Amino acid sequence: EDQVTQSPEALRLQEGESSSLNCSYTVSGLRGLFWYRQDPGKGPEFLFTLYSAGEEKEKERLKATLTKKESFLHITAPKPEDSATYLCAVQKYGNKLVFGAGTILRVKS
Amino acid sequence: GAGVSQSPRYKVTKRGQDVALRCDPISGHVSLYWYRQALGQGPEFLTYFNYEAQQDKSGLPNDRFSAERPEGSISTLTIQRTEQRDSAMYRCASSRDRAAYNEQFFGPGTRLTVL
Repeated sequence: EDQVTQSPEALRLQEGESSSLNCSYTVSGLRGLFWYRQDPGKGPEFLFTLYSAGEEKEKERLKATLTKKESFLHITAPKPEDSATYLCAVQKYGNKLVFGAGTILRVKS
Repeated sequence: GAGVSQSPRYKVTKRGQDVALRCDPISGHVSLYWYRQALGQGPEFLTYFNYEAQQDKSGLPNDRFSAERPEGSISTLTIQRTEQRDSAMYRCASSRDRAAYNEQFFGPGTRLTVL
């Protein structure tokens, strides 16, 4: 069965304290891995798509990387406005996304 | 409109009643998706459409759930004879075309509460 596991479940950081979020998956025939950000009361907001192992993408303080078994979302020098739930999803076939449960990030000033 | 819209934003119903949830995708978007999201969890796939054709309904929990998109734009998710376990946030998303990897833009969701 396809599984997407995100860790940690919750993460508290001080402003400026860099860290990484993990998304591990067991999916045969991965076509793409997606990262989304979700703020309370809102729908998920797209961040990145990664297609193959070794690929990296960056956006402001965020960098996503992909291996054959997991993806990392690196947050460099986070700010309080980076506080949100970060969701990882895999696409196996068709357009269906399978999401993990998310990591709740809180950045304190 | 600028984004995906959903209505109603909140729906409270009594067990056994039918409900219809509406999704208005981004103008011109070919693909439309329905997900269900429980508190503290990621969205769970229900079904999706390319234009008016339902491509995959493998995520619909049972035959009380159905969806349609008759003109390839607005979609309705209908739940018949609602049960308390149907209470959740129902989210709609759309993407620009049929290709895989396309970014899915999510709407604000409809919070369904079944009493």
